Amino acid sequence: QVQLVQSGAEVKKPGSSVKVSCKASGGTFSSYAISWVRQAPGQGLEWMGGIIPIFGTANYAQKFQGRVTITADESTSTAYMELSSLRSEDTAVYYCARVGYIVATKAYWFDPWGQGTLVTVSS
Amino acid sequence: SSELTQDPAVSVALGQTVRITCQGDSLRSYYASWYQQKPGQAPVLVIYGKNNRPSGIPDRFSGSSSGNTASLTITGAQAEDEADYYCNSRDSSGNPHYVFGTGTKVTVL
Repeated sequence: QVQLVQSGAEVKKPGSSVKVSCKASGGTFSSYAISWVRQAPGQGLEWMGGIIPIFGTANYAQKFQGRVTITADESTSTAYMELSSLRSEDTAVYYCARVGYIVATKAYWFDPWGQGTLVTVSS
Repeated sequence: SSELTQDPAVSVALGQTVRITCQGDSLRSYYASWYQQKPGQAPVLVIYGKNNRPSGIPDRFSGSSSGNTASLTITGAQAEDEADYYCNSRDSSGNPHYVFGTGTKVTVL
């Protein structure tokens, strides 16, 4: 069974950048998409973007275009999410999740999830 | 971009049945997936596809879909089912984008 383990909590200043990692173990990494989802305190889940490591091309939610960069390193089975120009509203728990799918039935899902990484943006 | 709308909160008596709905145009094209999230924990997949449960998810959880509405039903709700529930689907724009529902807080009385 695939497990996703994320890097630890971060505290950042406004205007800086943060890079969160997500390491996969126990299964196939390259051919499945990895998505990044964030959750601000007391708020819902928000999809940020994703990548299929074997292709290397990332897709981003319009809201984060230009500020987020998602990459993957197949050699270490690790995905990364870098968010720049941080502001207080970016304070959130950031999750990675593998995207499962059955294309023929148009079914897509997120499983498993990483444990989450708290990013706090504060001056 | 697509939106998925859920009722903010529902309550259910212990052992009774509760249905959570999720509405959005993308559900006409793609199945919803459903996630349970308890405080301080990562979301957990409970239903995907037409009505599939991952290993370890109790069979009291079931899913259905009609038109632009997907539903998650908990039949015989237990105290441990009290949580936030989110639906999700792929965006109907054709791009590999995804959208989450607004979330429903389920309280078991």
